[in-house]
Amino acid sequence: GAVVSQHPSRVICKSGTSVKIECRSLDFQATTMFWYRQFPKKSLMLMATSNEGSKATYEQGVEKDKFLINHASLTLSTLTVTSAHPEDSSFYICSASPPSAFNEQFFGPGTRLTVL
Amino acid sequence: AQKITQTQPGMFVQEKEAVTLDCTYDTSDPSYGLFWYKQPSSGEMIFLIYQGSYDQQNATEGRYSLNFQKARKSANLVISASQLGDSAMYFCAMREYGGGYQKVTFGTGTKLQVIP
Repeated sequence: GAVVSQHPSRVICKSGTSVKIECRSLDFQATTMFWYRQFPKKSLMLMATSNEGSKATYEQGVEKDKFLINHASLTLSTLTVTSAHPEDSSFYICSASPPSAFNEQFFGPGTRLTVL
Repeated sequence: AQKITQTQPGMFVQEKEAVTLDCTYDTSDPSYGLFWYKQPSSGEMIFLIYQGSYDQQNATEGRYSLNFQKARKSANLVISASQLGDSAMYFCAMREYGGGYQKVTFGTGTKLQVIP
């Protein structure tokens, strides 16, 4: 299957700082990328859907100004957690889909964010 | 209403036995896809199997098969000949594609433990 990478895999930051997480599709072009958040022992919660060339579509309850998503190219999407607080600590996972491939969704390995 | 419902928070199965993990879904879109993912304690999401809403036959991938009952809106995962390495969280997910907007929703997961 296709490979999706995330960087960094773990990040610890101080409260009030911003953190950028990258999601890259390594061997295919991804017109659609999804960002999820997962709390311990809980399911994945979709935060936003980004389509290359247009703004991300945020799910209800997700603050757009807090979680900035940029689908910079067909192989890169970034999630920036602005002014992070301890309650933002979570496991963030991205997934990417090749064009017109409805049955394919490849996940990155996830990024564990800890805000002190 | 829940889009994806997994009613079994935890399941035990004897090694080498088969096990069925339940999943029901709710959507008004005529075109959708159903996925099952495995998430070990390491956190990565491992794709297991996919079923498209228009697929006539049930999907199979090695020891995994998906019992798709469209009228009942159920997409149960069957794992045959369970192995100790199958112990993990299992998530059912649905991808909807209506009006050009894509959305992926995950169920709450089932924790499967395989007993030697």
